[in-house]
Amino acid sequence: KAGVTQTPRYLIKTRGQQVTLSCSPISGHRSVSWYQQTPGQGLQFLFEYFSETQRNKGNFPGRFSGRQFSNSRSEMNVSTLELGDSALYLCASSFRGRADEQFFGPGTRLTVL
Amino acid sequence: DQQVKQNSPSLSVQEGRISILNCDYTNSMFDYFLWYKKYPAEGPTFLISISSIKDKNEDGRFTVFLNKSAKHLSLHIVPSQPGDSAVYFCAASYTGGFKTIFGAGTRLFVKA
Repeated sequence: KAGVTQTPRYLIKTRGQQVTLSCSPISGHRSVSWYQQTPGQGLQFLFEYFSETQRNKGNFPGRFSGRQFSNSRSEMNVSTLELGDSALYLCASSFRGRADEQFFGPGTRLTVL
Repeated sequence: DQQVKQNSPSLSVQEGRISILNCDYTNSMFDYFLWYKKYPAEGPTFLISISSIKDKNEDGRFTVFLNKSAKHLSLHIVPSQPGDSAVYFCAASYTGGFKTIFGAGTRLFVKA
C-alpha cells in the first residue's frame, strides 16, 4: 500500500507570493490533517478535512487555507507569504481522523526569502 | 498557548540504559495521549498511546505512564538502543475534537 505523498518536497518562494502544497492520502483514507513544524514549536495543527469538509482548524491566520477533493487528495494554500512561514509542512491521513491512526507524509520544506 | 509541553529539548542516554521523556499538558479535556517518533527527512510515526482511563500502557521496550492529577505523562524506553535516536513528540487529542495537539519535541541521543 502506498504511503502518504506530498508534493513538492522542497519549495523556495519570496515574501508576498502565494504557494499551494499537495497531499495524497493513503488509499481509502478520508481524513487529511495538516501541520506546520518549526524549530522549538513542534507540530502546530492547521486544519483537518474529512470527506471534503473542514472539521477543525487551528489558530492560524486566514492566509492559510485548504481544501479536500472528492478523491480525498488535499491542498493547502498560503497567500501573501511571510518570512515566518518558512517551515516543514506535514500532512497526515487516516481512515476516520483518529490520532492513533494517522500516517504522516515526508513533508514539504518551504523556504520564504 | 502551548497546551502540550515538552520542556526538555534534548536528552542523551547511554545504550542499554533507560530513557525517560516527559510531557505536561494543560487542557483537562484531553482524553487520549500519544507519542510519535521522527527521523530526519521523514514524517512522524506513531509509537504508543494511552487512554485517560488507564495509567500505564506497555509495548515491548516502550511504556507510557499517565498521571492525570498532575497532567503529566512520560515515555520510558528500556533498554535504549542507538536506533532509538530521534525526535520524540508527545501529542494529545480529545474525543470528537478531530485534531491532535503536539508538543515541541525532545531529541533523544542514544550513545553506543
